[in-house]
Amino acid sequence: GESVGLHLPTLSVQEGDNSIINCAYSNSASDYFIWYKQESGKGPQFIIDIRSNMDKRQGQRVTVLLNKTVKHLSLQIAATQPGDSAVYFCALAFYNQGGKLIFGQGTELSVKP
Amino acid sequence: GAVVSQHPSWVICKSGTSVKIECRSLDFQATTMFWYRQFPKQSLMLMATSNEGSKATYEQGVEKDKFLINHASLTLSTLTVTSAHPEDSSFYICSASSPGQGTADTQYFGPGTRLTVL
Repeated sequence: GESVGLHLPTLSVQEGDNSIINCAYSNSASDYFIWYKQESGKGPQFIIDIRSNMDKRQGQRVTVLLNKTVKHLSLQIAATQPGDSAVYFCALAFYNQGGKLIFGQGTELSVKP
Repeated sequence: GAVVSQHPSWVICKSGTSVKIECRSLDFQATTMFWYRQFPKQSLMLMATSNEGSKATYEQGVEKDKFLINHASLTLSTLTVTSAHPEDSSFYICSASSPGQGTADTQYFGPGTRLTVL
């Protein structure tokens, strides 16, 4: 069956440090992978995505790495800031199912000033 | 661009009543809308997928007679929780997608609706 999980449910980092959030998945049929940020009481906010035929993609202060061999996805946040404190979800997307998303369980990132 | 709104942002109702939640795409036409439910400290769980003008497709375990979804126009989908009970209390989030917005199948999320059933 499809399942998406995270290694660390909570992560606490010092402001300015780099953060790494991990995601393990079991369904290899996903067409692309997405990271979302969700602040308390709000809807998910798109951060970055990566196609299944790529292994790395960089954005502004964020990098997503995809290792399809071990079915592992990670989000790296450089120079973490207090505003980065939120819950981060990875999600698998399936084109052949109308863009259906399967969300992981989430990691709560807490940034200490 | 690609803004999705939800109304109301929060609602409190008595057990046994029905509640309607609206999801609107404000600046684009959404061919597909998705409804999610999120319990505290948990992930988003897809409830159903709706395409404009057709019946919604519900995920396994979601009661279609309890969670009525209507997608009558390209900018509006509604979720009605019928005969709500305290266990239906949750954060309901919609998303909308359109082939003309972003990359194929990009979902734009609404801000969510907090439902509390007393």
